Amino acid sequence: EPEVTQTPSHQVTQMGQEVILRCVPISNHLYFYWYRQILGQKVEFLVSFYNNEISEKSEIFDDQFSVERPDGSNFTLKIRSTKLEDSAMYFCASLKTGPSYEQYFGPGTRLTVT
Amino acid sequence: AQTVTQSQPEMSVQEAETVTLSCTYDTSESDYYLFWYKQPPSRQMILVIRQEAYKQQNATENRFSVNFQKAAKSFSLKISDSQLGDAAMYFCAYRSADDKIIFGKGTRLHILP
Repeated sequence: EPEVTQTPSHQVTQMGQEVILRCVPISNHLYFYWYRQILGQKVEFLVSFYNNEISEKSEIFDDQFSVERPDGSNFTLKIRSTKLEDSAMYFCASLKTGPSYEQYFGPGTRLTVT
Repeated sequence: AQTVTQSQPEMSVQEAETVTLSCTYDTSESDYYLFWYKQPPSRQMILVIRQEAYKQQNATENRFSVNFQKAAKSFSLKISDSQLGDAAMYFCAYRSADDKIIFGKGTRLHILP
């Protein structure tokens, strides 16, 4: 069964550094998402992406964040200058529009900012 | 704006018994989707069950079923014959017209052997 994959599974970085989180969505999916879950809190929507552009973003998704789909398969989330409060689990999800309307989640990347 | 509320931060159930997790939501939309996701200690988000708002029939997936009350904006999850592997965090979620999913704060379910 096809699945969403994410790399790395765990990323440790120093405050102020740039990080890129990578996701490979399911191949025939058209919509892509990033979510964040700070430890012990609920999962929060960050951004949705369709047709090579951002379709929706939350107030969390400020100028420090960016997304792109550089090669038609990968979907990346970049944090330009990480802050301690960026430490969280980041989930990628993809959706193939259709009757199922199910977003398939990746296993997540745990980001630790020290 | 849509909101999802899970009023039970934690629940416990004896193995083989039945447990119901509560969820309410608020929306002005008439067509939407509701989900229950399971998050085990591995923190992977696993879809348990989904419900289309236009369907009156409650969704069922093996031991998991929902009680969807559209007028009351209620969407509870019933787990029958609870198993140790059901222990996890359960999130109720609403899918809005713009495709993003709004999650509740979660209910941590403990299974007592």
